[in-house]
Amino acid sequence: EDQVTQSPEALRLQEGESSSLNCSYTVSGLRGLFWYRQDPGKGPEFLFTLYSAGEEKEKERLKATLTKKESFLHITAPKPEDSATYLCAVQVYSGYSTLTFGKGTMLLVSP
Amino acid sequence: GAGVSQSPSNKVTEKGKDVELRCDPISGHTALYWYRQRLGQGLEFLIYFQGNSAPDKSGLPSDRFSAERTGESVSTLTIQRTQQEDSAVYLCASTYPEETQYFGPGTRLLVL
Repeated sequence: EDQVTQSPEALRLQEGESSSLNCSYTVSGLRGLFWYRQDPGKGPEFLFTLYSAGEEKEKERLKATLTKKESFLHITAPKPEDSATYLCAVQVYSGYSTLTFGKGTMLLVSP
Repeated sequence: GAGVSQSPSNKVTEKGKDVELRCDPISGHTALYWYRQRLGQGLEFLIYFQGNSAPDKSGLPSDRFSAERTGESVSTLTIQRTQQEDSAVYLCASTYPEETQYFGPGTRLLVL
């Protein structure tokens, strides 16, 4: 059974304090790993897709990396507007592209 | 362009009543998914539609749940005889096959 575990469950940072969120996964055959951001009361917003170990993608203060067992979402010098829940999901080679999600990391950045 | 839309935004119902949730996908997206998000839990896959193919209903938790989609347009998720454990956010996503899924804002369902 495909499993996705995110840590920590919650993270509180001061503005400018860099950190990383972790997503570890166990799947039968990884097609892609996705990161989404979810603000309270809203649907998940797509951030990145990573397909192979060693791949990195960046967007503003966020950088996602992928290994064969886990992915990291690095947040550099965060701002209060980065506060949200960050969701990790995996897609496997199963004939269609359903996603298996982790429970998310709730990030709070204080000014 | 317009994103995925869902209605209603919020729904409060009494235990035992039926509810119908609606999803309008992004125009041109042939694939549509329904997920459920319970408080403190990850998103759970419910059902998948792809074009005119038979839907994948493997994630539906019970026979009280059903969904329909007309062609490549609107989808409705129906929950019959609602129970308190059905309280959750119901999310819809659409995509081209094997591409990134784009989510709607969700319907927050509360069963009293």
